Amino acid sequence: QKEVEQDPGPLSVPEGAIVSLNCTYSNSAFQYFMWYRQYSRKGPELLMYTYSSGNKEDGRFTAQVDKSSKYISLFIRDSQPSDSATYLCAMSVSGTYKYIFGTGTRLKVLA
Amino acid sequence: EPEVTQTPSHQVTQMGQEVILRCVPISNHLYFYWYRQILGQKVEFLVSFYNNEISEKSEIFDDQFSVERPDGSNFTLKIRSTKLEDSAMYFCASSSRGPTDTQYFGPGTRLTVL
Repeated sequence: QKEVEQDPGPLSVPEGAIVSLNCTYSNSAFQYFMWYRQYSRKGPELLMYTYSSGNKEDGRFTAQVDKSSKYISLFIRDSQPSDSATYLCAMSVSGTYKYIFGTGTRLKVLA
Repeated sequence: EPEVTQTPSHQVTQMGQEVILRCVPISNHLYFYWYRQILGQKVEFLVSFYNNEISEKSEIFDDQFSVERPDGSNFTLKIRSTKLEDSAMYFCASSSRGPTDTQYFGPGTRLTVL
């Protein structure tokens, strides 16, 4: 079983839709959960950073962590064509420096 | 807004040659990282660096790789004898504190080994 699993997509949605992106993981020691956005041939750009379980909201973005199910989600409200990118989840164990990334989900928001 | 910068954006080299990839982390950050992303694959951790020492490294980071902070602003990754399979995007990242802090990534250097 992979440590972090993420559906590669592509996921195509119409402009204005609510987008749900998800990752599952197997290592129960993960405590820090991040979502990054990556445009083609660019570096990952941090969107959300969450510690342990719960929800976090920032503008149109909401991150959810369910540690009991080993499942994290990123919701994007009122999606825009400029949201078209690859979304990477990343996780780390407390006390370590290494981020473990998912493979990324490619999102296309159609105008 | 402060950001991590990397040079060059694209490096082409012959197999067996040495390459040095350069990064300027965010100025008040103390922790530095290198990751790589082979085309179509996930981002993979290589190494973390703090206080002029490697704090953690992955199994990918073998004796062909080394890191250095040659001055107060630059952070470098050296690959001593490049192989074809070293072709990838190499991302530098930095954070202000240690493992509990967010890592901010640079735009990457695309390394092509011929």
